[in-house]
Amino acid sequence: SQTIHQWPATLVQPVGSPLSLECTVEGTSNPNLYWYRQAAGRGLQLLFYSVGIGQISSEVPQNLSASRPQDRQFILSSKKLLLSDSGFYLCAWTRRPRGDEQYFGPGTRLTVT
Amino acid sequence: TQLLEQSPQFLSIQEGENLTVYCNSSSVFSSLQWYRQEPGEGPVLLVTVVTGGEVKKLKRLTFQFGDARKDSSLHITAAQPGDTGLYLCAGLFNAGGTSYGKLTFGQGTILTVHP
Repeated sequence: SQTIHQWPATLVQPVGSPLSLECTVEGTSNPNLYWYRQAAGRGLQLLFYSVGIGQISSEVPQNLSASRPQDRQFILSSKKLLLSDSGFYLCAWTRRPRGDEQYFGPGTRLTVT
Repeated sequence: TQLLEQSPQFLSIQEGENLTVYCNSSSVFSSLQWYRQEPGEGPVLLVTVVTGGEVKKLKRLTFQFGDARKDSSLHITAAQPGDTGLYLCAGLFNAGGTSYGKLTFGQGTILTVHP
């Protein structure tokens, strides 16, 4: 069976500090991978998605970036965090090329102080 | 940009009552998913509907896809406190036949079922 991991689970970082969130998927190969941000437990905002190693598409201009160094690893980064970067970050995967039926990780709660 | 209108935003009911959550768009979906999310956790996929008029049942939950594939509903019968959570609909708009797509999420319905 497939499993998706995210870490850390929670993170408190000062403004201006760097960020690295990691997501890994087990039990599947060549998945589509996604990073979302969720504010106040409501709808999800798509940040980045990837259909293969080194292939990253950005949905929202911001000071965040993403990378996919391995088939089942997806990393969300920032060089300098802003207060507005606080939120609940979710990683998701799907094996379906057209991008539906996504399965989510447990999330990372980021608080920028 | 395709939008999903989800209603109501909040629902507070007593155990045993029935409820319906709606998800609407002016565009046609290629497929639509319903997710349930508990606080501090990731959303969990409940169902996928792809055919206009399709009805799927998951225990006390009934999911319906509109004939024109522009709307969907989630009906819960005899709600229980364990049904409490955030319910999200998410649609795939496959405009132009792209080989891969992105889900558009509704804003969610926060359901609270009181014992």
